[in-house]
Amino acid sequence: GIQVEQSPPDLILQEGANSTLRCNFSDSVNNLQWFHQNPWGQLINLFYIPSGTKQNGRLSATTVATERYSLLYISSSQTTDSGVYFCAVSDTGGFKTIFGAGTRLFVKA
Amino acid sequence: KAGVTQTPRYLIKTRGQQVTLSCSPISGHRSVSWYQQTPGQGLQFLFEYFSETQRNKGNFPGRFSGRQFSNSRSEMNVSTLELGDSALYLCASSLFDAETQYFGPGTRLLVL
Repeated sequence: GIQVEQSPPDLILQEGANSTLRCNFSDSVNNLQWFHQNPWGQLINLFYIPSGTKQNGRLSATTVATERYSLLYISSSQTTDSGVYFCAVSDTGGFKTIFGAGTRLFVKA
Repeated sequence: KAGVTQTPRYLIKTRGQQVTLSCSPISGHRSVSWYQQTPGQGLQFLFEYFSETQRNKGNFPGRFSGRQFSNSRSEMNVSTLELGDSALYLCASSLFDAETQYFGPGTRLLVL
C-alpha cells in the first residue's frame, strides 16, 4: 500500500516565524489533504490539494503530484497554530485514506 | 449546517465486553469513514461506507465491524474488547468519497 512520510516529526518555533512541513508519498494518489489536530483531538481540514497550490490566510500548500510530495507553509506562526499537522492521501483505487505520522508543532510566545 | 457528531464522547469498558459507537455525518454527506488513533500506531483507517455499502476496509481483525443506515448515519462495533483497543475513534464524512473529509470530535474508549 501507499506509504506516507512527513517531516520533520517535531518542530518548535518562536511566534512570528515561518515554517515548511513536508509530505512524501510512495505512489500515485487520488487526493491529498492536510489536517490540523488541536490539543483536544479535533481534526480540522486545512486543504484538499491533490495538485497545484492553494492559500488560506497565513497557510498555503503546494502538491507536486508527479514528484509525489506536498508542502504546507505556515507564515507568521501564532501560538494557536500549535498541534499536530497530518497529511493524508487516498490511493487511486479510492475510498481508503492513509495518514502520515504527523508533524508536531509547538509555537512559543 | 451542523458538523459531524459522535456519541458517546467517552467510554470505559472492561476486557471481553463489546461496544457500539455512533456517527452522524454532515447533512447531505453520503460517505462515512472510521479511524482509530493511538499514540503507538497513529491514525489508522478502519473502514469506509457509502450508501450502506462498505467500500474498503483496513487491516483490523474481524472483531471490528461497522454499518451504515439509509440516512447515512453509521455505527461501528468492537466485540471482545482487548486492552489494545483503547484509543480515540474518529469518524469523518464527505460528499461522495475522501475528497474533503470533515471529522467529528471522536469517542475516547478506555478498556480496563
